[in-house]
Parts: sequence; C-alpha cells; structure tokens
Amino acid sequence: NAGVMQNPRHLVRRRGQEARLRCSPMKGHSHVYWYRQLPEEGLKFMVYLQKENIIDESGMPKERFSAEFPKEGPSILRIQQVVRGDSAAYFCASSPPGTSGSYEQYFGPGTRLTVT
Amino acid sequence: AQSVSQHNHHVILSEAASLELGCNYSYGGTVNLFWYVQYPGQHLQLLLKYFSGDPLVKGIKGFEAEFIKSKFSFNLRKPSVQWSDTAEYFCAVNAPHLNTGKLIFGQGTTLQVKP
Repeated sequence: NAGVMQNPRHLVRRRGQEARLRCSPMKGHSHVYWYRQLPEEGLKFMVYLQKENIIDESGMPKERFSAEFPKEGPSILRIQQVVRGDSAAYFCASSPPGTSGSYEQYFGPGTRLTVT
Repeated sequence: AQSVSQHNHHVILSEAASLELGCNYSYGGTVNLFWYVQYPGQHLQLLLKYFSGDPLVKGIKGFEAEFIKSKFSFNLRKPSVQWSDTAEYFCAVNAPHLNTGKLIFGQGTTLQVKP
C-alpha cells in the first residue's frame, strides 16, 4: 500500500515564477492537509481539503497561495509569484474518510522549495 | 488559540541514557495528542497518539508518553535510547470537536544520540 506521494521532491524557482506542488494521498484517503516548515521551525498548518472542498484554510496566506483537491487527480498547492520567503519544506498529509479530522495523519516526504 | 510548546530544542544523550522530552499545550477543551518523529532525510512518522482512555500510551520502538490533563502536558519518554533514535521529534495537538483536522505542532526537539 503506497504511502502519501509528493512531487517534485525538490523545486527551484526564481522570484516571480509560479510553483506547483502535488500530493497524492494514500489509497482510500479522502482528507488532505498541507503544512509548511520554515527553517528552524516546526510545521505550520496551511489548509485542509476534502474532495472538491476546502474545509479549513485558516493557515493559508491571503495572497498568492491557493490549494485544490479535485475529484480526480492529486491535490495541488499553488504559489504564484514566489518570493524568497516562500522557501521552505511543504508537507502533505492524508487521513481516511469519515473521521472529520479526528484521526492520525500520514505524511508524505515533502517538497523542498527554493526560491532564488 | 491553541499552541504547543516543546521546551527542549536540542538534546544530546549517550546511548543507553534515559530520555524525556517535554510537551505542553494550551487549550482548555478535549484534545488529541501526537508525537511524530522525523529521521534524517525521511518523512514524519507517527510514534504514538492519545485520543482517550489510559493516559499512559505506548508507541513504536519502545517510546511511551503520559498525558497529564492537569498540567496540559504530554511528555515523551524512552528508558534507554539508541544511536538510531537520532532524529527530530514533534509534539502535535488536534481539537476534534472543531471538525478540522489541523494539527498544531511544537517547534520540534532535535535529539542527538552519541554512540
């Protein structure tokens, strides 16, 4: 049973470019979460999605960041017009359906974004 | 707002020493509690979790944690560490009644075990 998959593992973007990070949850999981880890800090929640719905985006920056989890395909975290401060590790996690968040989350390997 | 505090940022131990990592959270309601570990170059893995019941929970690799509600604490312990326990450890909290799965993480504790 494959775990949570994220790609790319490493992404380099110049300032002003767009970054697209992909997350495929574990088989059978319908809840997806995105977290960001800045250097020397813990993980910070960004957004919680179910299929075709954003449930909680309280941790998302108001501008340039968006997330989706379509009916088919992976979840996408999109960062427009990246700046140096966006350089971080972005982790995706998933959990099974019917748990409303009250369940352990399984994490992917992360995407390390570097903005030059 | 919920927050999680891990008091030890960097811990260095010799093999066979005992380990206790502190975790305190600030939230008055019902919580789910987790400890995750991140080995060098790997993704986060769940060590153990507490939802309800016996406040002393046992996890993988000989780790255990005790939930003390009156102290808002969930400290991680291991009686005898091994070199392979070198990793970063994260405590996390979730408030299940809010119906959002978001985990609030502590800053992490880097454990270095010397052989």
